[in-house]
Amino acid sequence: AQTVTQSQPEMSVQEAETVTLSCTYDTSENNYYLFWYKQPPSRQMILVIRQEAYKQQNATENRFSVNFQKAAKSFSLKISDSQLGDTAMYFCAFMKVVGGNEKLTFGTGTRLTIIP
Amino acid sequence: EAQVTQNPRYLITVTGKKLTVTCSQNMNHEYMSWYRQDPGLGLRQIYYSMNVEVTDKGDVPEGYKVSRKEKRNFPLILESPSPNQTSLYFCASSPRGTAYEQYFGPGTRLTVT
Repeated sequence: AQTVTQSQPEMSVQEAETVTLSCTYDTSENNYYLFWYKQPPSRQMILVIRQEAYKQQNATENRFSVNFQKAAKSFSLKISDSQLGDTAMYFCAFMKVVGGNEKLTFGTGTRLTIIP
Repeated sequence: EAQVTQNPRYLITVTGKKLTVTCSQNMNHEYMSWYRQDPGLGLRQIYYSMNVEVTDKGDVPEGYKVSRKEKRNFPLILESPSPNQTSLYFCASSPRGTAYEQYFGPGTRLTVT
């Protein structure tokens, strides 16, 4: 079974600074997908960024980028020029489609606070 | 607007009183799934459905039932709720086979006393 580990339960950073959230995972699979989801105080789950394991190029979405190290099974999220609206819980998630089940395996989350 | 809706958003109930949390999507998605979120545990899959009349267990199915009679609806049924089912519940849907983005509902906060 796959596991996802987020070793930083909480982080805080000053507005406009850059912050990196860590995520490691354990799998014997070669083809899979990795995601970062954001959960603001509204509790809505919002997709931040997605990475296909077969792609070597790191995914980027505006101020959000990932550092995907497949051999090390590491998938960190970098937020540049952080904004107050980035304050949220961030979840790293792994997906391997098995028998049609698109199950997401989530980490335990990192609570990020952006300080004005 | 493409969305996944859940009702109710908040529910407080007592042990043993049957309840249903509804989930509906308007995107014609084939795949739907239920998760529960607990502090320190992240989200865990309860049940999933690949299409109408096709459902299967996820990682934590005990105490739950689901049905998929229509493509758009995927209700979660708690026949005899217990306090350990107090949690935040999310429904999600996606176009099957894309492994792209799962659209999540707004969540249902359930408290069982």
